[in-house]
Amino acid sequence: DGGITQSPKYLFRKEGQNVTLSCEQNLNHDAMYWYRQDPGQGLRLIYYSQIVNDFQKGDIAEGYSVSREKKESFPLTVTSAQKNPTAFYLCASSILAGPSGNTIYFGEGSWLTVV
Amino acid sequence: GNSVTQMEGPVTLSEEAFLTINCTYTATGYPSLFWYVQYPGEGLQLLLKATKADDKGSNKGFEATYRKETTSFHLEKGSVQVSDSAVYFCALSDRDDKIIFGKGTRLHILP
Repeated sequence: DGGITQSPKYLFRKEGQNVTLSCEQNLNHDAMYWYRQDPGQGLRLIYYSQIVNDFQKGDIAEGYSVSREKKESFPLTVTSAQKNPTAFYLCASSILAGPSGNTIYFGEGSWLTVV
Repeated sequence: GNSVTQMEGPVTLSEEAFLTINCTYTATGYPSLFWYVQYPGEGLQLLLKATKADDKGSNKGFEATYRKETTSFHLEKGSVQVSDSAVYFCALSDRDDKIIFGKGTRLHILP
């Protein structure tokens, strides 16, 4: 089946640890995104990438890092510098469709909790 | 810059009631407009979209019409069900491929 796969679904992090969230898509989409969602809140963009080996900071990039070595994969690392990482993380992808903008599709999300 | 404003929730309705969730936008040019739905503990699912003025997007009994004159894309459903309880996000995508989301509206449907 085509889609966006995030793993793990649930992750626990100890203080001072880095953790990496995986995101893979088999939709042949050009662009990939990471969003953070806090309970009862909207979405905030962390990083996005429109092409392999290139990515851009979003609104809340501090304490996070990404890589885009393959078109299908866009892992997110939550570093120890992120002071409040407990949240729901959503990966998304889209085709860059031109003048009318693009349609974005989401994975099922990953819950990260600091213990 | 571009922005999306949607009505604050929560919205609580009885089953079979008529639903409207308001969404207005600010954008240059002619963006595409979207409604996404998020069920508890899940990612966002595309509910419907419209790519040009006067287009109507529809899916699962939900509808929204792209109104350029009022810069609106209100979500409507004639008869809601308990299973429609979720958070609904309005969004736009412009020629720069940037996607802007509203803050979401939580909908509770009572049996």
